[in-house]
Amino acid sequence: QVQLQESGPGLVKPSETLSLTCSVSGGSISTYYWSWIRQPPGAGLEWIGYIYYSGSTKYNPSLKSRVTISADTSKNQFSLKLTSVTAADTAVYYCAREVVGPATNWIDPWGQGTLVTVSS
Amino acid sequence: SYELTQPPSVSVSPGQTASITCSGDKLGDKNVCWYQQKPGQSPAMVIYQDTRRPSGIPDRFSGSNSGNTATLTISGTQAMDEADYYCQAWDSNTAVVFGGGTKLTVL
Repeated sequence: QVQLQESGPGLVKPSETLSLTCSVSGGSISTYYWSWIRQPPGAGLEWIGYIYYSGSTKYNPSLKSRVTISADTSKNQFSLKLTSVTAADTAVYYCAREVVGPATNWIDPWGQGTLVTVSS
Repeated sequence: SYELTQPPSVSVSPGQTASITCSGDKLGDKNVCWYQQKPGQSPAMVIYQDTRRPSGIPDRFSGSNSGNTATLTISGTQAMDEADYYCQAWDSNTAVVFGGGTKLTVL
């Protein structure tokens, strides 16, 4: 059974870059798509983007200029970088597996999430 | 950009049927998923491709999608079903879109 675990700094200063890694166990990232989703405190879910192991990516248009998702198949990990962060980027960040097909998708399973606070 | 609209809250008595709606332009032409999120936990999928239940999800959870509205129905609602529920669809321009979420209260 696939399990995902996020890791990275819990505190990032404004204007700096948020960097997170998702470690995948119980399955290879060389199949499926792998996503990042975030949830500000007390708010709803926002999809950030996904990567296919081949390196193909797709990002939320609202974040596209600041986001990079990459994958390291040798470590069975994928990563998120979000540049020029502000307090509005404070959120719980989830990594997840995404199944993508013609005009369809679903996200399952999800990691436990990690809270990233943007503050000086 | 494509938007999905959910009611902020729904209340139901134990044992009764809860219906949570998700509205979007021509949503019936898209595939919809539903996720359950309990306090302090990560979301978990309960319905995908409009009506399909993942392994391990009780059959009291069901979904439908037609016209502009998708509906998650929970029959014989139990106290353990109290949670936030999010609908989600795929849009060719926006990619993954989530609804704003509905807090289900089991009174």
